[in-house]
Amino acid sequence: QKEVEQDPGPLSVPEGAIVSLNCTYSNSAFQYFMWYRQYSRKGPELLMYTYSSGNKEDGRFTAQVDKSSKYISLFIRDSQPSDSATYLCAMSSTNFGNEKLTFGTGTRLTIIP
Amino acid sequence: DVKVTQSSRYLVKRTGEKVFLECVQDMDHENMFWYRQDPGLGLRLIYFSYDVKMKEKGDIPEGYSVSREKKERFSLILESASTNQTSMYLCASRGWSKEGDTQYFGPGTRLTVL
Repeated sequence: QKEVEQDPGPLSVPEGAIVSLNCTYSNSAFQYFMWYRQYSRKGPELLMYTYSSGNKEDGRFTAQVDKSSKYISLFIRDSQPSDSATYLCAMSSTNFGNEKLTFGTGTRLTIIP
Repeated sequence: DVKVTQSSRYLVKRTGEKVFLECVQDMDHENMFWYRQDPGLGLRLIYFSYDVKMKEKGDIPEGYSVSREKKERFSLILESASTNQTSMYLCASRGWSKEGDTQYFGPGTRLTVL
């Protein structure tokens, strides 16, 4: 069993819809959670960074962490065609720089105009 | 903004060639990483370095080596390229910024080995 599970999709939704992307994990030591967005043929870029349980909002994006269920989500409101990308979740147990991140395999999202 | 640059966006090499992929970051980060990314397999860590001249094996180090002579530069070396090393290679550095402590990626090098 992988430490982090993420549905690879592909996921296609109409423009303006609310998108929900999810990851589950097995390591209860994870405390720091990230979402990256990766456009085709580009490197991943950091989208959201959260610590422990709770919600964090940034514009149209909301990251949610439920540590009791070992489940994290990324919500995209009023989705736009420019949101079409692969979204990767990542997590770690410490914020020490030499600890590697554990990544999900990514969900490919397409927003249909 | 953190900037991580990689020496080439696209590279085509022949089997058996020695290949150098170079990565430079401008944020004075101590920690740097090399990944490869393949469809269905996600990001897999090859090597990382937490200081100059220090290196640690990641999950798939076989067939690769690395060099870190200066803090800002981290090189990935394929001693004798093989077709199964055809992949997207991503470099990252890790450190603090206004978003938090996390990894920042370069644009990637798409390597094809013929």
